[in-house]
Amino acid sequence: QQQVKQSPQSLIVQKGGISIINCAYENTAFDYFPWYQQFPGKGPALLIAIRPDVSEKKEGRFTISFNKSAKQFSLHIMDSQPGDSATYFCAASGFSGTASKLTFGTGTRLQVTL
Amino acid sequence: KAGVTQTPRYLIKTRGQQVTLSCSPISGHRSVSWYQQTPGQGLQFLFEYFSETQRNKGNFPGRFSGRQFSNSRSEMNVSTLELGDSALYLCASSLSREANYGYTFGSGTRLTVV
Repeated sequence: QQQVKQSPQSLIVQKGGISIINCAYENTAFDYFPWYQQFPGKGPALLIAIRPDVSEKKEGRFTISFNKSAKQFSLHIMDSQPGDSATYFCAASGFSGTASKLTFGTGTRLQVTL
Repeated sequence: KAGVTQTPRYLIKTRGQQVTLSCSPISGHRSVSWYQQTPGQGLQFLFEYFSETQRNKGNFPGRFSGRQFSNSRSEMNVSTLELGDSALYLCASSLSREANYGYTFGSGTRLTVV
């Protein structure tokens, strides 16, 4: 029940195109859904996050769409740029007892070509 | 403002040895979490500390341990190293008591067990 399933595993998008990464979760106690971006040799960096009381959140070219009933959320990268080439992780968390933790998806390696 | 600092960046150890990794959180952050990242298993939660107390622990054997000091710096220790312990070990800190709401990750320590 703690899993977060992420797809696709890898994605190639042309410059200017839209990159879409999908995630699904099982645990209805999750109440925070962040996306992280990781470049080689670096730790993951928080990109954007959403809570289940909203269906969409946009920050610049990055948008999270959230479907609570389907237990799915997705990241859309508009006007994808070569600099967006990185690995993207979705995650979910919820408070359990005295603490909470992030459960990560398996990651999507995005390559944006010229 | 300095980020999360992890030392050392790279480490090579022999099977059966033990290792200690260090993490200095962002100034003022009292929550520190540790994650293991491998190509096969992705990002797996190890443990989380807040004000020197372990609040949450992942599903790892007892060979993995950690602690947090009064200045919020944290260390993790792995004893009797196995080849499968080779991984990138990431530390993340957070200001909030609800630790997942705004993690900042360090660049990690790359541990290779030979």
